[in-house]
Amino acid sequence: DAKTTQPNSMESNEEEPVHLPCNHSTISGTDYIHWYRQLPSQGPEYVIHGLTSNVNNRMASLAIAEDRKSSTLILHRATLRDAAVYYCILISSGPNTGNQFYFGTGTSLTVIP
Amino acid sequence: SAVISQKPSRDICQRGTSLTIQCQVDSQVTMMFWYRQQPGQSLTLIATANQGSEATYESGFVIDKFPISRPNLTFSTLTVSNMSPEDSSIYLCSGRIYEKLFFGSGTQLSVL
Repeated sequence: DAKTTQPNSMESNEEEPVHLPCNHSTISGTDYIHWYRQLPSQGPEYVIHGLTSNVNNRMASLAIAEDRKSSTLILHRATLRDAAVYYCILISSGPNTGNQFYFGTGTSLTVIP
Repeated sequence: SAVISQKPSRDICQRGTSLTIQCQVDSQVTMMFWYRQQPGQSLTLIATANQGSEATYESGFVIDKFPISRPNLTFSTLTVSNMSPEDSSIYLCSGRIYEKLFFGSGTQLSVL
């Protein structure tokens, strides 16, 4: 099963960009790279996902390395509400495959006012 | 998109009893999952809830302890049976629509 590795924690000043890295060296060709975040006392929520090309949405941007063995979640301007644990996981694109996706330890992001 | 309603949000139970956690999705999802999360730690997958058939359990989790039902594409239950203090944790359900996962808000279980 493909696994991901992330730094345990990161800090950012409010209003500054944040780059959260993720390594997934065993990624397969059908795996999408997903990012979820978990606010305190809540279930994880979807942030963004991509396959090969960089992706942007209203929450964040996802930069994917050319060899797909790493990716970076970019929060363009961190706010206090972005303080959360961010998880990078791989999910197979097949409808009935990739059941075995795992949440790693995630990165706990602290935003400093 | 999907919204998952999970209940109860929290409960305090006595040793030896059982608790059933329910998850209702507002749309049909292809797959549903149950996770356990210890405080300050990541999510551990318990099992995949299969519609109309027995759930698929991960290593370390067994049906007798965590029976799961999924009678249709929008509903699933997880029962924590014969509870002990070691079962105190947060339990989360999730549903998958295409590549996205959607999560319930979790059930915080304390066993005395």
